[in-house]
Amino acid sequence: KQEVTQIPAALSVPEGENLVLNCSFTDSAIYNLQWFRQDPGKGLTSLLLIQSSQREQTSGRLNASLDKSSGRSTLYIAASQPGDSATYLCAVRRQAGANSKLTFGKGITLSVRP
Amino acid sequence: SAVISQKPSRDICQRGTSLTIQCQVDSQVTMMFWYRQQPGQSLTLIATANQGSEATYESGFVIDKFPISRPNLTFSTLTVSNMSPEDSSIYLCSAGASANEKLFFGSGTQLSVL
Repeated sequence: KQEVTQIPAALSVPEGENLVLNCSFTDSAIYNLQWFRQDPGKGLTSLLLIQSSQREQTSGRLNASLDKSSGRSTLYIAASQPGDSATYLCAVRRQAGANSKLTFGKGITLSVRP
Repeated sequence: SAVISQKPSRDICQRGTSLTIQCQVDSQVTMMFWYRQQPGQSLTLIATANQGSEATYESGFVIDKFPISRPNLTFSTLTVSNMSPEDSSIYLCSAGASANEKLFFGSGTQLSVL
């Protein structure tokens, strides 16, 4: 059974700092991995999706990397801003196909202090 | 990308009553899913909403408690039946065109049962 772990559960950093959020998964046989952002009491916003054949994806100040063999992904946030404060979740999909479901981590709650 | 409208955004309900949550997607999608996020926990898949047929439920979730409809490729409803305080949670609708694409989420329904 796939398990996704995100440690630490919470992180507080000063504005402007570059930071890395970690995600690990127990079964390296994944199809893709997706990072999401969730604001308090809200739904999820998709940030980046990495296919199993890819090493990284970039969008603006965000960069996600994937090391499938070691069961790890990282989300790098450059020059963090207070508006980046949110919970960041990673999720892995085991296989292609319409019925393949995502397994989520519990998320990392990030607070960026002005 | 898909834009998903979910309503209500929040509700406070009495024990023993039922609540129906609606999810509308702005484009036709193959897959629609319903998730639950309990306080401090990650997302748990309730069921896959299948167009024109009965939903596929995950272990621990049953149709009598969480009846789902999906009359077409852009709309689905989830009903939380005979509610108890343990059903207090955020319920999220998600949709995607295929397994190798991003999964998009509605804004969530925050449910409190008294």
